Amino acid sequence: GEEVAQTPKHLVRGEGQKAKLYCAPIKGHSYVFWYQQVLKNEFKFLISFQNENVFDETGMPKERFSAKCLPNSPCSLEIQATKLEDSAVYFCASSRTSDRGRDFGPGTRLLVL
Amino acid sequence: QKEVEQNSGPLSVPEGAIASLNCTYSDRGSQSFFWYRQYSGKSPELIMSIYSNGDKEDGRFTAQLNKASQYVSLLIRDSQPSDSATYLCAVIHLGNEKLTFGTGTRLTIIP
Repeated sequence: GEEVAQTPKHLVRGEGQKAKLYCAPIKGHSYVFWYQQVLKNEFKFLISFQNENVFDETGMPKERFSAKCLPNSPCSLEIQATKLEDSAVYFCASSRTSDRGRDFGPGTRLLVL
Repeated sequence: QKEVEQNSGPLSVPEGAIASLNCTYSDRGSQSFFWYRQYSGKSPELIMSIYSNGDKEDGRFTAQLNKASQYVSLLIRDSQPSDSATYLCAVIHLGNEKLTFGTGTRLTIIP
């Protein structure tokens, strides 16, 4: 597609429950990125992929967060045992090359109660 | 010191005037520079990319880059109420290709 697609738009989880978010990058884009926006304008980089391979995972809280990009499937970001502080908007973005601007999806708003 | 710094604003500009947004970055190895616009509750939208020193114009938008001063700016001419949004400066670092955002400047265009 011509836009990054993300599902679901909204997700509500009780503390300790699992959350799984999905992203379909723009066709032809090799790179996929996940960002977390907690406060209104603070973007935190989580992880990036080049095709199905992890490109950079330095932002991932590895004990509870995991992500995958498998061939012919949407990319996913999974949070095990969610905590209140995981409440945020999670944006997926894609780009054709790693040095160019990213195209962002509409985001998934996660609320942990 | 934050890697990418912006004045958080709010910046208020009368309709029809020029809005000037500024950004400084700390990593001299930064290679690619972007301005994103984010409306409240929406995702960031890429409006300008600039990779070399100088000015780049696209419609009412002009991006300026000065690598020696580690400074990027965005000028919006003939400001419209629809330009009211948060403008995010973002930088890609040479080597790790990580896109780092500033905290954004909230711009309000006053009719």
